[in-house]
Amino acid sequence: DTEVTQTPKHLVMGMTNKKSLKCEQHMGHRAMYWYKQKAKKPPELMFVYSYEKLSINESVPSRFSPECPNSSLLNLHLHALQPEDSALYLCASSQDPDYDTQYFGPGTRLTVL
Amino acid sequence: GENVEQHPSTLSVQEGDSAVIKCTYSDSASNYFPWYKQELGKGPQLIIDIRSNVGEKKDQRIAVTLNKTAKHFSLHITETQPEDSAVYFCAASNRGNQFYFGTGTSLTVIP
Repeated sequence: DTEVTQTPKHLVMGMTNKKSLKCEQHMGHRAMYWYKQKAKKPPELMFVYSYEKLSINESVPSRFSPECPNSSLLNLHLHALQPEDSALYLCASSQDPDYDTQYFGPGTRLTVL
Repeated sequence: GENVEQHPSTLSVQEGDSAVIKCTYSDSASNYFPWYKQELGKGPQLIIDIRSNVGEKKDQRIAVTLNKTAKHFSLHITETQPEDSAVYFCAASNRGNQFYFGTGTSLTVIP
């Protein structure tokens, strides 16, 4: 089973709201990722967690705050977003940070009004 | 850093024909090359991958070839079907957790 799940599937929020995206995998993977994908573009890496520790932050604005409560869960907390942050947010996981095969979830379609 | 170019950006083929998508990369240290298929409204799905110690890999109607000398790799889909219609992304990686994606190819299979 190579399933990564994400909730919610769709999210609409105002610029003053606080919301969270959730990602879960039960494959025993120890690396988890957040990507942002705009329409007709490839995914852009935002954050990497290795063994539940943040290892890569690709200069993402502080209005995006990742959290890894345990080895199966990854959250992305959103606060004071801008309309240009509207995108598909993808979670992915891999066996470990040095093993490159990544499996993606279905994504959360975020719209910021 | 790595730079991955992907061509063509759009591709239309008749059902049953073959489709070929090509990617080039710049960093000779890259050693892992996955291909993802992304259907509308869904996340990318890994369809095939190849490592730098292999020249070709096949899985039913899908094959990937790698030319390390020329720094390019290609996706071949034979006997295309309408359900193959999607956006395909190639990627290159020279360490475990950093992917460099191509710009994507929108494939349409015409019934």
